[in-house]
Amino acid sequence: NAGVMQNPRHLVRRRGQEARLRCSPMKGHSHVYWYRQLPEEGLKFMVYLQKENIIDESGMPKERFSAEFPKEGPSILRIQQVVRGDSAAYFCASSPGGSDQPQHFGDGTRLSIL
Amino acid sequence: SQQGEEDPQALSIQEGENATMNCSYKTSINNLQWYRQNSGRGLVHLILIRSNEREKHSGRLRVTLDTSKKSSSLLITASRAADTASYFCATEDTNAGKSTFGDGTTLTVKP
Repeated sequence: NAGVMQNPRHLVRRRGQEARLRCSPMKGHSHVYWYRQLPEEGLKFMVYLQKENIIDESGMPKERFSAEFPKEGPSILRIQQVVRGDSAAYFCASSPGGSDQPQHFGDGTRLSIL
Repeated sequence: SQQGEEDPQALSIQEGENATMNCSYKTSINNLQWYRQNSGRGLVHLILIRSNEREKHSGRLRVTLDTSKKSSSLLITASRAADTASYFCATEDTNAGKSTFGDGTTLTVKP
């Protein structure tokens, strides 16, 4: 079984451009989580989605950031009008849902803003 | 301070020694999980301990949970150079849904 696939692995954008990060969960997993990680720090929760629904977006900045997990296709984290402070590693994880289920992580997308 | 804080921030030991990392949290939890992250990679799940469990083993890993003190420890016995990584605890609180991660312990095992 393929694990969680994230692409691209590295993304470079100039200030003001849009960044689109993709995540394909593990087969059979309908729950997706997005995290952000700065160097030497832990993961900061951003958003939790199930198919076609946002369950918890308490960690998402109110502006410029959005996420979706459509019925078909990968989950997308979209950052509009990027700024230097958006530079970070963005990780996606998936699980089958329910309590006591570990999350399975992708290898992340490293976003660099010039 | 945040839920799921690891202690120490960094730990350096010789191969063959044991490594102990601690995690403290604030809220009521369903479970606590430990993850490992190698540089430049995603997190890998190591072990999950439920709130009604006190100790769990998996190979060279031993995890304890003390809900009265809201703390957990991860012990890696007979460490190897390949254990060098960052280790994170994550708590799933009783409101469920998401897990909250700490800032991790960076473990260096010298050959």
